[in-house]
Amino acid sequence: NAGVIQTPRHKVTGKGQEATLWCEPISGHSAVFWYRQTIVQGLEFLTYFRNQAPIDDSGMPKERFSAQMPNQSHSTLKIQSTQPQDSAVYLCASSLGTGDTLYFGAGTRLSVL
Amino acid sequence: QQKVQQSPESLTVSEGAMASLNCTFSDGTSNNFRWYRQHSAKGLEVLVSIFSDGEKEEGRFTAHLNRANLHVSLHIREPQPSDSAVYLCAGVYGGSGNKLIFGTGTLLSVKP
Repeated sequence: NAGVIQTPRHKVTGKGQEATLWCEPISGHSAVFWYRQTIVQGLEFLTYFRNQAPIDDSGMPKERFSAQMPNQSHSTLKIQSTQPQDSAVYLCASSLGTGDTLYFGAGTRLSVL
Repeated sequence: QQKVQQSPESLTVSEGAMASLNCTFSDGTSNNFRWYRQHSAKGLEVLVSIFSDGEKEEGRFTAHLNRANLHVSLHIREPQPSDSAVYLCAGVYGGSGNKLIFGTGTLLSVKP
């Protein structure tokens, strides 16, 4: 079991460019979560899928951010027109079912210059 | 919006001495709490999950939950330098248990 896999580990974009972050959940896990971690805000919930369907996106910024889960083996988080304040570590997690323990990936560090 | 306060912000202990970390939650709507550890540049590792008042032990890690006081603590027995990391507590919220609300973390340093 390779755990939750996130790619890339580091991404550097220029202001205004698009960034796509990838997550491969643990095989067999039905729930996938995205979190953002910064020094100031700590770990913040962004969005959550269950059986590939979006369930709760209450933490997602209303503009520029979107997440998809086209199949059970991967999810993407896309940030359009990136801004310096988007710089953070983006963490993906999966769990067997809702309410079960979340297992986190190592994260993608996004730096917007 | 639920909030989680962790204390202390940082803690230094000597190898082998007990380390104690604390979390206080803003409300009592969760009954499911987790402690995670994050080593530098690595993902979060779950340490203990606790669902009822009292204590839950996982190896050298013991969590104590007091829901009436909205308080959960983590005690690390015989800490090693390899235990140096950021420790995060989290409560599970959301109607279907779908959302973790995290504390701001405690940076633990264990000196040899």
